[in-house]
This record gives sequence, structure tokens and C-alpha cells, in this order.
Amino acid sequence: GQNIDQPTEMTATEGAIVQINCTYQTSGFNGLFWYQQHAGEAPTFLSYNVLDGLEEKGRFSSFLSRSKGYSYLLLKELQMKDSASYLCAVRDNNAGNMLTFGGGTRLMVKP
Amino acid sequence: KAGVTQTPRYLIKTRGQQVTLSCSPISGHRSVSWYQQTPGQGLQFLFEYFSETQRNKGNFPGRFSGRQFSNSRSEMNVSTLELGDSALYLCASSRGRGQGAKETQYFGPGTRLLVL
Repeated sequence: GQNIDQPTEMTATEGAIVQINCTYQTSGFNGLFWYQQHAGEAPTFLSYNVLDGLEEKGRFSSFLSRSKGYSYLLLKELQMKDSASYLCAVRDNNAGNMLTFGGGTRLMVKP
Repeated sequence: KAGVTQTPRYLIKTRGQQVTLSCSPISGHRSVSWYQQTPGQGLQFLFEYFSETQRNKGNFPGRFSGRQFSNSRSEMNVSTLELGDSALYLCASSRGRGQGAKETQYFGPGTRLLVL
């Protein structure tokens, strides 16, 4: 099976930088996704990593190390609207298109 | 391009009843996956449909079933509802035959089901 861990909650200050970590164990890694989910809304796609390294997209960046089973999502210049849950999800070669999600990290941005 | 749509958005049922939820994928997407989201268990995979066939299934009892139509629209059905079935049911669509980032799943707004 798969095991995906991420912190339950984090708090950061508006304008700061925050890093949300995700560790995973899977037998046939085939990509890692980050989604953002505001309370009461659907998850929205943020980033995708399948090769080692950093993918940058505006204020958001995502990093992957396959050998360590580790990823992080980096949010820069935090804004109040970034307060949301951030979900790490892994796709496995042996499970088709199925995504296995971590429990999500609830980020609170304070003024 | 229109996003993934789900109907109904909210539903209240009583124990023992059955429910059918509907999902229309993004135009051109042929894969539809269903997930259940609860505060305790998080997001859990139910099943995936592609070309009217179930391609993958999660660890849910047989009370949970689904189907896909020729236009890629999908429905999921839950029979003999239990209190624990109260959850947000999300569907996500993707191309279905792409690789890597092209197989990103995009979620609909969800159906919030309350079982009393």
C-alpha cells in the first residue's frame, strides 16, 4: 500500500514564506500532485512533480526527491487568501489513475 | 472550457435509502474518478471509469457502485445508506490516456451528502 504523511496544521504570517512537507512510501511512484482546498470547496490543482527537482509557478514552488520519498510545497509572499488546506497526492504505477492523498495540511495565514 | 460539474450540490437522506450522484467531466476528458472526503479519513478513492468501464476500484463496500455513459458522464450510487456515508463526494476528470502532467485530475465542486 501507500503511506503519505504531512503536518496537520501550520501557521504563518502574511508576507512570509512557508514550506509544507510531504513524505510518501509507494512501490511504483508515478507522480506527485499538490492541491489547494479552501473550506467547503473542491481541491484545485497547484503543481505536479515526477522528476527530482524544483518546479516553480509564480508564488508557489514544489520540490521532489524520489530517492528520499519527499516533497515540499513552498509558498512565498503569503497572502491571507492562502489560508487553506494543502493536499499532497501520489499516483502509483500499479494503481492506474488513482490518487492517494495525505491527510492535508491546514495553513492559517495571520496578519 | 467549462469545468467539472456535479449534481446535486447538497443532499439529505435517511438511513436505508439509496442515492445517485452525477458528474459531468471537462469536455474531452474520458476518465472520471470518484472520491469520498470526510474529516476523519480525508480524501479516499472510490473508483475510476474510463470508456464506460471501471478501470480501478478503492476499498469500499459493494454498496458503492458507479457507471459511465458514452458521453463520459458518470454516476455513482450508494445503496442502503449508513450514517457514516455522510461526506463530501468529489468527482475528478482527466484525459484518461495521457502521460504525466497531462493526466492531472481536475475536481468538481462536490456533492455534500448528509445521512440522518
